[in-house]
Amino acid sequence: KAGVTQTPRYLIKTRGQQVTLSCSPISGHRSVSWYQQTPGQGLQFLFEYFSETQRNKGNFPGRFSGRQFSNSRSEMNVSTLELGDSALYLCASSRYSSSYNEQFFGPGTRLTVL
Amino acid sequence: AQSVTQLDSQVPVFEEAPVELRCNYSSSVSVYLFWYVQYPNQGLQLLLKYLSGSTLVESINGFEAEFNKSQTSFHLRKPSVHISDTAEYFCAVSELGRGSTLGRLYFGRGTQLTVWP
Repeated sequence: KAGVTQTPRYLIKTRGQQVTLSCSPISGHRSVSWYQQTPGQGLQFLFEYFSETQRNKGNFPGRFSGRQFSNSRSEMNVSTLELGDSALYLCASSRYSSSYNEQFFGPGTRLTVL
Repeated sequence: AQSVTQLDSQVPVFEEAPVELRCNYSSSVSVYLFWYVQYPNQGLQLLLKYLSGSTLVESINGFEAEFNKSQTSFHLRKPSVHISDTAEYFCAVSELGRGSTLGRLYFGRGTQLTVWP
């Protein structure tokens, strides 16, 4: 069974640009969560989607948005990039949206903003 | 709101020595507890989890963690480490029965375990 895949793996952008990251969950998983990982702030929750609906959102500005498609694939978008958006963005999938379901993480997309 | 504290950011040990990675949490509701491991340039992998039942949980590669409700701790231990255990370890919690935080994990800042030969 294929794991969570994220594309692209590496991305370099400049300030002010926008970026779209993609996540394909494990087959049969309907929940997709996104996390930002930085050396300064650690792992922070961005948002979670289940059945194409955003269920939860972390404390990030509106420049960060996401969506989920009917096949459970998810995208996150960051507009007007800032230097501080440089981070590893991790996507995780689980079968359902619940507190106890194991979340399976992808390898991440390393975003560098210059 | 949840908070998870990993008391040590770096833990260096020699091969075959025992190790303990400490994790404390604070929450106003009951929680589920997890330990994840991250190898360089990879995502997080679940090491073990506590949902209910026995407070001592074990992983297939020799790690174990004990849930201590009174001390709000979930320390990770291994009696004898290998060089291949070198990685960053994250403690995480999720809240029970709170619709507003379903699907959300709260992570500690991580502990870098380095095993020397």
